[in-house]
Amino acid sequence: DIQMTQSPSSLSASIGDRVTITCRASQGISNYLAWFQQKPGKAPKSLIYAASSLQSGVPSKFSGSGSGTDFTLTISSLQPEDFATYYCQQYNSYPPTFGQGTKVEIK
Amino acid sequence: EVQLVESGGGLVQPGGSLRLSCAASGFTFSSYSMNWVRQAPGKGLEWLSYISSSSSTIKYADSVKGRFTISRDNAKKSLFLQMNSLRAEDTAVYYCARDGDYYDSSGYQRGWFDPWGQGTLVTVSS
Repeated sequence: DIQMTQSPSSLSASIGDRVTITCRASQGISNYLAWFQQKPGKAPKSLIYAASSLQSGVPSKFSGSGSGTDFTLTISSLQPEDFATYYCQQYNSYPPTFGQGTKVEIK
Repeated sequence: EVQLVESGGGLVQPGGSLRLSCAASGFTFSSYSMNWVRQAPGKGLEWLSYISSSSSTIKYADSVKGRFTISRDNAKKSLFLQMNSLRAEDTAVYYCARDGDYYDSSGYQRGWFDPWGQGTLVTVSS
């Protein structure tokens, strides 16, 4: 199975900060990577697919980049509604696997 | 509006069985592949099972292979997960999720999850 490793596991940031989360795959996955946001007690919500394509309805402050084994999710200006846990997921091969999550907290 | 609503969760004893359902609305259910994903309390996400639109292709995670069975009824716009021989480590919120798909320069691609249902909690305990 492909292992997905996110860093950091958690971070503290202030409103307006630019935040970057990294996701590394244990082997090359081309651009077959998605990002999800999950708030406490809620289902995950898709943000990005194909490493950099924004899901319909997701604000443009979210962006993704990368290919091969290294990927990033960037939030350009953190807002109160963005405090959540973020997961990456590879869909290059079965089984689909997720990173362990990055919790974004208020500083 | 695309909507997925899970039901059927609850408390079950170790070794017991449970059948989860996922009711779909707002899209042509019979045209989409579907998945089950779970999340143990305080833990990350784990993909469990996939079923193609016509049920011709089914896949399972090793952790549930031989114990769980995915199925669907396109006429009733419903997805199911039959869970047998349940263990304490199966305690989790279970989500159904539609397969995300798109076309790129390499052709048809699929395999992420959008949207997700709200989840149903399964607790395995004596």
